[in-house]
Amino acid sequence: AQSVSQHNHHVILSEAASLELGCNYSYGGTVNLFWYVQYPGQHLQLLLKYFSGDPLVKGIKGFEAEFIKSKFSFNLRKPSVQWSDTAEYFCAVNTGFQKLVFGTGTRLLVSP
Amino acid sequence: DAGVIQSPRHEVTEMGQEVTLRCKPISGHNSLFWYRQTMMRGLELLIYFNNNVPIDDSGMPEDRFSAKMPNASFSTLKIQPSEPRDSAVYFCASISASGGFRDTQYFGPGTRLTVL
Repeated sequence: AQSVSQHNHHVILSEAASLELGCNYSYGGTVNLFWYVQYPGQHLQLLLKYFSGDPLVKGIKGFEAEFIKSKFSFNLRKPSVQWSDTAEYFCAVNTGFQKLVFGTGTRLLVSP
Repeated sequence: DAGVIQSPRHEVTEMGQEVTLRCKPISGHNSLFWYRQTMMRGLELLIYFNNNVPIDDSGMPEDRFSAKMPNASFSTLKIQPSEPRDSAVYFCASISASGGFRDTQYFGPGTRLTVL
């Protein structure tokens, strides 16, 4: 079965620090990849997605992610985080009919 | 568009009681998903529907859980009888009718269920 691994469960950064959250998936075929964000007390919102083409995908709020097929990875990055980026971040993969498999999430705390 | 609508937003009930969670997907979306989120297990897919038909209910934990989608604009997730371990946030999500692989799931605000 497909699975998604997010190795960092908790990350604490100071404002202006750079961010990279890891995501690895296990599936050998064609995948669509997503990053969702869940701000405290809110629902999941799409940050960015990759379907095909340029493996470097830019999303909202200055986030980007790079798909590296050989490493089965789709890491999320942001050059300079803000306090408002404090949230939980979920990587997800779609390998078939609209069904997403989510990682366990990474809680990011940005201190001002 | 109002987005995915869920009700109630919070539910507190006692063990053994029946609980019904409701979801209205985005108009025109033809697939609907129910998820459960807990600290221990993260975000789990319980069941999803396409054109009102259940496609995959392998994530439904046990017979106490049931879900229906009587029409394209409404779905329910019922727990009967409820147990304290069912305490979680339940999310509903829907996806566009243009269908396929490339569409994005849109999530509702969730229902926070507490079973005492």
